[in-house]
Amino acid sequence: AQSVSQHNHHVILSEAASLELGCNYSYGGTVNLFWYVQYPGQHLQLLLKYFSGDPLVKGIKGFEAEFIKSKFSFNLRKPSVQWSDTAEYFCAVSISGTYKYIFGTGTRLKVLA
Amino acid sequence: KAGVTQTPRYLIKTRGQQVTLSCSPISGHRSVSWYQQTPGQGLQFLFEYFSETQRNKGNFPGRFSGRQFSNSRSEMNVSTLELGDSALYLCASRPDPAGETQYFGPGTRLLVL
Repeated sequence: AQSVSQHNHHVILSEAASLELGCNYSYGGTVNLFWYVQYPGQHLQLLLKYFSGDPLVKGIKGFEAEFIKSKFSFNLRKPSVQWSDTAEYFCAVSISGTYKYIFGTGTRLKVLA
Repeated sequence: KAGVTQTPRYLIKTRGQQVTLSCSPISGHRSVSWYQQTPGQGLQFLFEYFSETQRNKGNFPGRFSGRQFSNSRSEMNVSTLELGDSALYLCASRPDPAGETQYFGPGTRLLVL
């Protein structure tokens, strides 16, 4: 069965530290990839997405993610985090041509001021 | 455009009762998905509706059911509530069901006592 793994469940960083959150999926076919973010008390919202083309995609608030097809990975990065990045981050995969949309279990990021 | 709305926002029920949650998608969006969010489990997919038809279903017991109306509004029902049903129930809409970005509502927080 298809699945999405987020290996870091809780991450604590100081402001200005660099961030990398891992995301791996298990599916051999074509996928669309997403990172969503849920700030405290707010809706889940799209951070960035990859459908095709340049495997390095940039999203809002300075986030970026790189799709590495050979590793089935779509890791999220930010060079310098801010206190306001404290949130829960979800990786998601959509199986192309189907209606299936699979989320990872999420990573809670806490940034210390 | 108005975002995805969900009602009610909070609910307290007792074991054995049933509950109905409502979701109004973004205008023009015909696909509505439902998720259960719990700490440590992430987002668990319940079902997806498109044009009043259930297109996809997750691995939840038959106590969880849903429907979609001709105006794309959707309801989900949970019968014979159990303590483990306590969760945040999220609704998401998208204009096309295959692979597109989902837009989430604020959720309904259900507490089962």
